[in-house]
Amino acid sequence: QKEVEQDPGPLSVPEGAIVSLNCTYSNSAFQYFMWYRQYSRKGPELLMYTYSSGNKEDGRFTAQVDKSSKYISLFIRDSQPSDSATYLCAPLIQGAQKLVFGQGTRLTINP
Amino acid sequence: DVKVTQSSRYLVKRTGEKVFLECVQDMDHENMFWYRQDPGLGLRLIYFSYDVKMKEKGDIPEGYSVSREKKERFSLILESASTNQTSMYLCASSGLVDQPQHFGDGTRLSIL
Repeated sequence: QKEVEQDPGPLSVPEGAIVSLNCTYSNSAFQYFMWYRQYSRKGPELLMYTYSSGNKEDGRFTAQVDKSSKYISLFIRDSQPSDSATYLCAPLIQGAQKLVFGQGTRLTINP
Repeated sequence: DVKVTQSSRYLVKRTGEKVFLECVQDMDHENMFWYRQDPGLGLRLIYFSYDVKMKEKGDIPEGYSVSREKKERFSLILESASTNQTSMYLCASSGLVDQPQHFGDGTRLSIL
């Protein structure tokens, strides 16, 4: 079993829809949770960074962590064509330096 | 804003060549990382460094070496390039612990 599982998609939704992207993980030692966005031919860009369980909101983006079920989500409201990218989840053990990346979900927002 | 700069966006080399990929960060970060990214395989860690002249192997170090002589610079070396090392190479940096990594825009390396 992989430490982090993420459905690779592809996921295609119409503009304006609410998008839900998800990851599951197996290691209960993960305490920090990151979401990265990667456009084609570019490096991953940090989108959200949360600690432990709960929600964090930043504009149209909400990151949610449920440590009891080892489930992390990223919600995008009012999705735009510019949100079309690959989204990677990446948890981190407290005190560690190495991230563990999910495979990434490829998202397309259709105008 | 953190800036991680990789010296080349695209590079074409021949099998058997020694290849150097360079990465520079401007945030005085302790940690630096080299990944390769391949379709269907995701991001895989090759090497990382937590201090000058210090390094640790990642998940796929075979065929690679690294050098960190200055805090801001981390080099990836392909000792004798082979076609299976054709890939997108990404450099990242982060602060001491519990910090997110910041990535450069990658070097797309083709080995012919």
